[in-house]
Amino acid sequence: GAGVSQTPSNKVTEKGKYVELRCDPISGHTALYWYRQSLGQGPEFLIYFQGTGAADDSGLPNDRFFAVRPEGSVSTLKIQRTERGDSAVYLCASSLNAGEETQYFGPGTRLLVL
Amino acid sequence: DQQVKQNSPSLSVQEGRISILNCDYTNSMFDYFLWYKKYPAEGPTFLISISSIKDKNEDGRFTVFLNKSAKHLSLHIVPSQPGDSAVYFCAASEAGTASKLTFGTGTRLQVTL
Repeated sequence: GAGVSQTPSNKVTEKGKYVELRCDPISGHTALYWYRQSLGQGPEFLIYFQGTGAADDSGLPNDRFFAVRPEGSVSTLKIQRTERGDSAVYLCASSLNAGEETQYFGPGTRLLVL
Repeated sequence: DQQVKQNSPSLSVQEGRISILNCDYTNSMFDYFLWYKKYPAEGPTFLISISSIKDKNEDGRFTVFLNKSAKHLSLHIVPSQPGDSAVYFCAASEAGTASKLTFGTGTRLQVTL
């Protein structure tokens, strides 16, 4: 079956612009996670959804970052007034249920803010 | 504060030999540990995991060892194959955090012929 997919695969934007990154989880997975990986670092947790609700958004760096999952499947990570420091690979993962430890990752969206 | 540390940024091993990748953690609340493998331009792929109630878990060529008193875990790959060349991330989660993972910085493994 299909794995986690993310679009776009690459996004180049200018400082101050708004971007949206999309994640399609594995069908039937109720939990969805967003991580950010900067160069030379491991993935860092941003936010986690169980169903439609954000169960833990403690990793979002500031209020410029927001994520939604309105129908409990596809999720969109939204970044307002982008800054050069937002440049990173944004990874999405899903798991069958909350507390299911194995998370399956998508290929990521590489964001470059000029 | 890096709660999961992989102090070796890279490791080179000859094909057929054993690869040992190490990981240390500082948070005593971590109770589940995972290893992920990552190829360039791909997302991390789950490899193997271990619960804190065990000290060893084996899956084919891959074995993970956990030493809770030392807050240390290691991944053994034997025999190493060229296709194992990738970046390996150690990750951990706390009980009750619904699988929010904390990752190390990764170790790049190169398996040479």
